[in-house]
Amino acid sequence: QVQLVESGGGLVKPGGSLRLSCAASEFTFSDYYMNWIRQAPGKGLEWVSYISPSGDSIYYADSVKGRFTVSRDNAKNSLYLQMNSLRTDDTAVYYCARGDVGKWKSPFGYWGQGTLVTVSS
Amino acid sequence: EIVLTQSPGTLSLSPGERGTLSCRASQSVSSSNLAWYQQKPGQAPRLLIYGASSRATGIPDRFSGSGSGTDFTLSISRLEPEDFAVYYCQQYGSLPRTFGQGTKVEIK
Repeated sequence: QVQLVESGGGLVKPGGSLRLSCAASEFTFSDYYMNWIRQAPGKGLEWVSYISPSGDSIYYADSVKGRFTVSRDNAKNSLYLQMNSLRTDDTAVYYCARGDVGKWKSPFGYWGQGTLVTVSS
Repeated sequence: EIVLTQSPGTLSLSPGERGTLSCRASQSVSSSNLAWYQQKPGQAPRLLIYGASSRATGIPDRFSGSGSGTDFTLSISRLEPEDFAVYYCQQYGSLPRTFGQGTKVEIK
């Protein structure tokens, strides 16, 4: 069945950088829009970014624009989130999520288990 | 940006009771691009409802969604012990994608 496995989380100081990865399997990765969603401890869900199947269409939430960069490597079935200039309010569990094939307007039917990013001095 | 407001914040119910959760949008959600998710502690969210009223694969028929425009509802006909969780609505018709703040359904 569809699998999404995030990695790369950890503890980082304010102003630091971190790169998250999401390894996809059991589906044709290159056919799907992919998303990053985060959840601060004890808080609700916040959508962060999406990237189109070919990578030519990308969108970010205002809260991360200019600091985060989403990318993908379809040959490696992998999604990435490069996070720079991290702030304490970026502390959250980061999930990758997949929608429906080829649709940019799609609910998130599959989620990874999440990776925790903690920004603290 | 479409702001989604869920009510109530917490719903205290007993197993077997009916639960009704509300999600109100600050502007019309195009083509009913509205989803509901369930999240249990320590787990990723699970898609329950999409297109405002269609159940996702494997979701029991005690879950139903309704509504259009700016007002949407998730109903749980008879609460099972495993249904006590946090529920989020989300719109995916416009950018940025947005979620409601969540409704916690707790055991009374």
